[in-house]
Amino acid sequence: QKEVEQDPGPLSVPEGAIVSLNCTYSNSAFQYFMWYRQYSRKGPELLMYTYSSGNKEDGRFTAQVDKSSKYISLFIRDSQPSDSATYLCAMSTTGNQFYFGTGTSLTVIP
Amino acid sequence: GAVVSQHPSRVICKSGTSVKIECRSLDFQATTMFWYRQFPKQSLMLMATSNEGSKATYEQGVEKDKFLINHASLTLSTLTVTSAHPEDSSFYICSVPPQQGGEKLFFGSGTQLSVL
Repeated sequence: QKEVEQDPGPLSVPEGAIVSLNCTYSNSAFQYFMWYRQYSRKGPELLMYTYSSGNKEDGRFTAQVDKSSKYISLFIRDSQPSDSATYLCAMSTTGNQFYFGTGTSLTVIP
Repeated sequence: GAVVSQHPSRVICKSGTSVKIECRSLDFQATTMFWYRQFPKQSLMLMATSNEGSKATYEQGVEKDKFLINHASLTLSTLTVTSAHPEDSSFYICSVPPQQGGEKLFFGSGTQLSVL
């Protein structure tokens, strides 16, 4: 079983839709959770960072962590064509070793 | 946030040549840097951990003599792909954990290597 599971998609939504991206994990010791956005042929860009459980909101983005279910989510409201990218979830126990999902490819259609 | 500079962004080379990729931490001193490799539509694969002033730690299956890592200063790590072959063609990305805790990773812009 992989440490982190993420549906690779692809996911295609119309502009303005709410997008839900998810990852599940198996290691209950994970306590640092991150979402990255990666455009084609570019390095991942940190979007959201959450420590332990709970929600975090930043503009159109909301990150949720449910440690009891070992499940994290990223919601994008009012999606824009510029949101079209691959979204990677990542997590860590101590900050010395990071585990990544395979990434979900998102296309927002104008 | 941290700023990581990586270059070149793209390299096209002939088989048998060596290619050097540089990764610089611009905002703070980095005793550790990570080097990843990414194939199309796949996630990041950790290749090695670069340690300032000492030898890099390589992940299982990664050839040390093929992928030479040098971390000569607190702001610069280099990855040299020696005697590159077409199977080495890939997207290489470096990352730097923040000095305080390392719970967030910041990435360079990546280097697309194409070996002809």
